[in-house]
Amino acid sequence: DTEVTQTPKHLVMGMTNKKSLKCEQHMGHRAMYWYKQKAKKPPELMFVYSYEKLSINESVPSRFSPECPNSSLLNLHLHALQPEDSALYLCASSQDLTDTQYFGPGTRLTVL
Amino acid sequence: LAKTTQPISMDSYEGQEVNITCSHNNIATNDYITWYQQFPSQGPRFIIQGYKTKVTNEVASLFIPADRKSSTLSLPRVSLSDTAVYYCLVGDPAGTALIFGKGTTLSVSS
Repeated sequence: DTEVTQTPKHLVMGMTNKKSLKCEQHMGHRAMYWYKQKAKKPPELMFVYSYEKLSINESVPSRFSPECPNSSLLNLHLHALQPEDSALYLCASSQDLTDTQYFGPGTRLTVL
Repeated sequence: LAKTTQPISMDSYEGQEVNITCSHNNIATNDYITWYQQFPSQGPRFIIQGYKTKVTNEVASLFIPADRKSSTLSLPRVSLSDTAVYYCLVGDPAGTALIFGKGTTLSVSS
């Protein structure tokens, strides 16, 4: 299994909603990442987890809250988002921080 | 992390070889060069990675001159399905995560 899966594929939410994005991998990777990608822009790193501990937070607003319950699973909890947060949210994983990253298909988020 | 510069876009025809060059003048001694491909509304896909000279896999070749201040991704005999954005990234594998540049949009026509 060489796949990173993300659910849901699409999500529409209001500014007062609370929702979560889920990412899963079964490759035994110990590093997992969240990226945000706006239309026609490159992906931007948000968070990095290494061995289930938050390693990097790229000054992301607190309305985005990551969680790594175990080595296979990464969540991104969303609360009180703004319309400008609408984007493709990508999850990636790698064997460790020094290894090649493998990306999931992304979740297309629309905030109304 | 070393900043990269790539052409914004390139056009090609099916069956041609495409070479995309990336400049990274400030590359550090420990930095590797990695290329990703991304189709619309999909996650980036790893293509190839190298440190110096030439690396080849079943998809592409990567040429890195001795000074390592640039690199060239070579795609042999492209097809319509190679139309995508190609990102060149430079970084220390022991460091933090990937910083994507603007990428090159490759358009392949028949």
